[in-house]
Amino acid sequence: KQEVTQIPAALSVPEGENLVLNCSFTDSAIYNLQWFRQDPGKGLTSLLLIQSSQREQTSGRLNASLDKSSGRSTLYIAASQPGDSATYLCAVRTGFQKLVFGTGTRLLVSP
Amino acid sequence: DAGVTQSPTHLIKTRGQQVTLRCSPKSGHDTVSWYQQALGQGPQFIFQYYEEEERQRGNFPDRFSGHQFPNYSSELNVNALLLGDSALYLCASSLGHGNTIYFGEGSWLTVV
Repeated sequence: KQEVTQIPAALSVPEGENLVLNCSFTDSAIYNLQWFRQDPGKGLTSLLLIQSSQREQTSGRLNASLDKSSGRSTLYIAASQPGDSATYLCAVRTGFQKLVFGTGTRLLVSP
Repeated sequence: DAGVTQSPTHLIKTRGQQVTLRCSPKSGHDTVSWYQQALGQGPQFIFQYYEEEERQRGNFPDRFSGHQFPNYSSELNVNALLLGDSALYLCASSLGHGNTIYFGEGSWLTVV
């Protein structure tokens, strides 16, 4: 059974810091991995999708890496801003459209 | 380009009642999935529909059922509601296999 763990559960940083969020999964037989952002009481916004054959993806200040063999992914956020405050979820795709999620990292960026 | 839309956004039901939640996928998407997210947890996969058939199902009882219509929109039905069914229900859509999955804003269900 695929299990996804995210560390840390919560993170508080001052504005401008670079930060790394971690995601690990137990079964390396995945199709891809997707990072999402969730604001309080809202749905999920897709940030980055990494296919199983890829090592990393970049979008603006975000960079996600994938090491499938070791079951790890990281989300790097450069020059953090207060607007980045949200919960970040990673999910691995194990079936046609089945995602298995971690419990998320709650990020607070202070001005 | 409208994204994934869900209705209603909030609803309150009494234990034992039945509820229907609705979802319209992102334009051009043919596959719809439903997830349940309890407070403080990650979303849990309920089931997925493609070509009007349930293709995959998570670990949810038969009280949870669904339907996909020819226009790819979908409904989630939950019968005999329990207090523990209170959660955010998220609909997701994608085109085919391996592409980005997009989520709607969700439907907040409170069972009292």
